Amino acid sequence: GAVVSQHPSRVICKSGTSVKIECRSLDFQATTMFWYRQFPKQSLMLMATSNEGSKATYEQGVEKDKFLINHASLTLSTLTVTSAHPEDSSFYICSARDILRGGGPDTQYFGPGTRLTVL
Amino acid sequence: AQKITQTQPGMFVQEKEAVTLDCTYDTSDQSYGLFWYKQPSSGEMIFLIYQGSYDEQNATEGRYSLNFQKARKSANLVISASQLGDSAMYFCAMRANTGNQFYFGTGTSLTVIP
Repeated sequence: GAVVSQHPSRVICKSGTSVKIECRSLDFQATTMFWYRQFPKQSLMLMATSNEGSKATYEQGVEKDKFLINHASLTLSTLTVTSAHPEDSSFYICSARDILRGGGPDTQYFGPGTRLTVL
Repeated sequence: AQKITQTQPGMFVQEKEAVTLDCTYDTSDQSYGLFWYKQPSSGEMIFLIYQGSYDEQNATEGRYSLNFQKARKSANLVISASQLGDSAMYFCAMRANTGNQFYFGTGTSLTVIP
């Protein structure tokens, strides 16, 4: 079964509004979670690394004021897209690392993704 | 810098046949991990198989095996006895010892033909 969940799975919003996406590890504690963005027919691009209890680490070119990340607990990280615009429309995927699950110590397990459409 | 290359944007395979998806990588790190993920049309990334750079044996997981050739820096995924449900995008990824980032290839779209 799924080990990482995301909510909502799909969201449509008006330009200028803010959207919050939740990422939860269901049966393990994740001190580190990752947020990716994927455009149609393209690969995943890491946006930021979310660390529980500390500030997120953003990749070069990602606006930290636009994509707010909060990792309030060991099982929950949130990504808030502030003042969303049509160019922010994309597929957002989170992942978490569970060192106890099979696949090697660095395996990341992904959520089902959130499709954001900004009108 | 780390780089993953998948040169096959699309592949077709007959049902029940085997197929190899290519992946090459570039890194200066000595310790790293190689991963394959499957992404069906629903969008979810499904972990398939992992190979550590120091693992001497090729990884296998059911119908999936990873043909790891370290000197050539390749980590090809072999799917045996293809099934219709195998139709999806397949991404090769690497995590180097330095840093947190997973580097993904551009993906290969696999279509299994009945």
